[in-house]
Amino acid sequence: QKEVEQNSGPLSVPEGAIASLNCTYSDRGSQSFFWYRQYSGKSPELIMFIYSNGDKEDGRFTAQLNKASQYVSLLIRDSQPSDSATYLCAVSGEAAGNKLTFGGGTRVLVKP
Amino acid sequence: NAGVTQTPKFQVLKTGQSMTLQCAQDMNHNSMYWYRQDPGMGLRLIYYSASEGTTDKGEVPNGYNVSRLNKREFSLRLESAAPSQTSVYFCASSVVGDEQYFGPGTRLTVT
Repeated sequence: QKEVEQNSGPLSVPEGAIASLNCTYSDRGSQSFFWYRQYSGKSPELIMFIYSNGDKEDGRFTAQLNKASQYVSLLIRDSQPSDSATYLCAVSGEAAGNKLTFGGGTRVLVKP
Repeated sequence: NAGVTQTPKFQVLKTGQSMTLQCAQDMNHNSMYWYRQDPGMGLRLIYYSASEGTTDKGEVPNGYNVSRLNKREFSLRLESAAPSQTSVYFCASSVVGDEQYFGPGTRLTVT
């Protein structure tokens, strides 16, 4: 079992709709959770981080964390073609020496 | 404020050649990291440096060495390149552990 799992996609979303991305993790002691966006041929860019259970909103992005169920999700509201990218989930916890463990990423395609 | 910079951007090596990838950050971060990214494998940690003067192995350290030259600079060396080291290499930095910021990457091909 991978430590951090994501559906590889592609997740196809009409422009203006909500894109919902999920990530599950195996280390119950994980404490910090991150979402990175990576455009093709570019480096990962940090877009959200969340440390506590519940929702955290930043513009059109909402991160949701449920430690009991060991999942973290990312919602992209009013999806735009410019949101087409691969989204990487990363998790940090004591088991990994507080280093980041990355999922394989979910590719999102927003269609006009 | 350039963030994290990497050189070179592209490199082609022949099997057995050596090279050093350079990384520098101007954010006064304590920790620095080297990752490789391969299709279908995601980002995998090669080596990291939690603070100046320390380095530790990550998930895939074989065939690589690193040097934390000072707080700003962290280099990755391939002593004898192999085709399996064809990849995109990213350097990242963080204050401590968590939020990491990535450089633009080095695309390496070993023939």
